[in-house]
Amino acid sequence: DAGVTQSPTHLIKTRGQHVTLRCSPISGHKSVSWYQQVLGQGPQFIFQYYEKEERGRGNFPDRFSARQFPNYSSELNVNALLLGDSALYLCASSPHTTQYFGPGTRLTVL
Amino acid sequence: ELKVEQNPLFLSMQEGKNYTIYCNYSTTSDRLYWYRQDPGKSLESLFVLLSNGAVKQEGRLMASLDTKARLSTLHITAAVHDLSATYFCAVDTMNRDDKIIFGKGTRLHILP
Repeated sequence: DAGVTQSPTHLIKTRGQHVTLRCSPISGHKSVSWYQQVLGQGPQFIFQYYEKEERGRGNFPDRFSARQFPNYSSELNVNALLLGDSALYLCASSPHTTQYFGPGTRLTVL
Repeated sequence: ELKVEQNPLFLSMQEGKNYTIYCNYSTTSDRLYWYRQDPGKSLESLFVLLSNGAVKQEGRLMASLDTKARLSTLHITAAVHDLSATYFCAVDTMNRDDKIIFGKGTRLHILP
């Protein structure tokens, strides 16, 4: 069975640019969550979507937005990139309780 | 707001020894997760603990949950080098949004 997939794997952007990260959940999972993991820290919750509805938002600025599509895949968008946005962005899908994490997208902002 | 504290944050130990990682959290929750992360990699689910007194074991790792004390432990028995990784506990906020709060992680280095 395919796990959670994310694209791209790595990305380098410059300050002020915009980025879109993509996630495909495990087949049958309707919930997708996004986390940011800065080097040396635990992941921090950004968003959760269920059946295309935003169910939760973490303490991130409005530059961060997301959406979920009818096939339950999801996009995370970040506008006006800052150096501090450099991190590993993790997507997780869930059937009920356990969240299964994808391989992540490593974003570097120069 | 829910806070999750792990200790120790760094642990260097020799193969064959036993040790315990502690995870304390600040508000009521009945769901706690342990994840493993290798350098540059994503998170691998180790254990899901869903009730007070839950104990789960896989190989040399055993996790337990005491919801009354708001404490979980991850015990390592007779450590081997392959267990070197960062271990995170994460606690479910029990809200509608599936939000889980992670600890800072315990970086475990096992010396051969």
